[in-house]
Amino acid sequence: EDQVTQSPEALRLQEGESSSLNCSYTVSGLRGLFWYRQDPGKGPEFLFTLYSAGEEKEKERLKATLTKKESFLHITAPKPEDSATYLCAVGGGSEKLVFGKGTKLTVNP
Amino acid sequence: DTAVSQTPKYLVTQMGNDKSIKCEQNLGHDTMYWYKQDSKKFLKIMFSYNNKELIINETVPNRFSPKSPDKAHLNLHINSLELGDSAVYFCASSHRATYTDTQYFGPGTRLTVL
Repeated sequence: EDQVTQSPEALRLQEGESSSLNCSYTVSGLRGLFWYRQDPGKGPEFLFTLYSAGEEKEKERLKATLTKKESFLHITAPKPEDSATYLCAVGGGSEKLVFGKGTKLTVNP
Repeated sequence: DTAVSQTPKYLVTQMGNDKSIKCEQNLGHDTMYWYKQDSKKFLKIMFSYNNKELIINETVPNRFSPKSPDKAHLNLHINSLELGDSAVYFCASSHRATYTDTQYFGPGTRLTVL
């Protein structure tokens, strides 16, 4: 069965303090790894899709990378508005999107 | 210009009642989904429809019945509501029913069963 584990569960950063979120996965035949951002009381908002090991994508202060076993979401010089829960999901052989439990990021000014 | 919309946003009801949640997408997508997010924020798929045809039906009590009148709409009807049904329900859509396609989510419906 496809599985996704995200760490840490929660992360507190000071504004400008760069860090990374981890998403480890086991899947039979990865077809796509997805990163979403979820703000309180809202639906997940799409950030990135990665399809193969070695692939990287960037958007503003966020950069997502992918290996055969895990993905990292690097946050460079975060701002308070980056505070949210970041969700990782994989699409694979089970023909459904399997989500991790998320990392709650808080960036203090 | 909301891409995926759901109504209502909040739903508070008594145990044993029947309720429906509606979802509409204006993205022209072929595939729509219902997800449940529990109190621990874990997001899990319930159903998926492609061009009005049910393609995924996870282990969900048969009190939950999805209906897709056309490919832009997917409704969720819940019979005999139980306390454990309290959660946030999200509708989503994607261009096709493949897991390389990005899924776009609605704002969610917070269901509280008293």
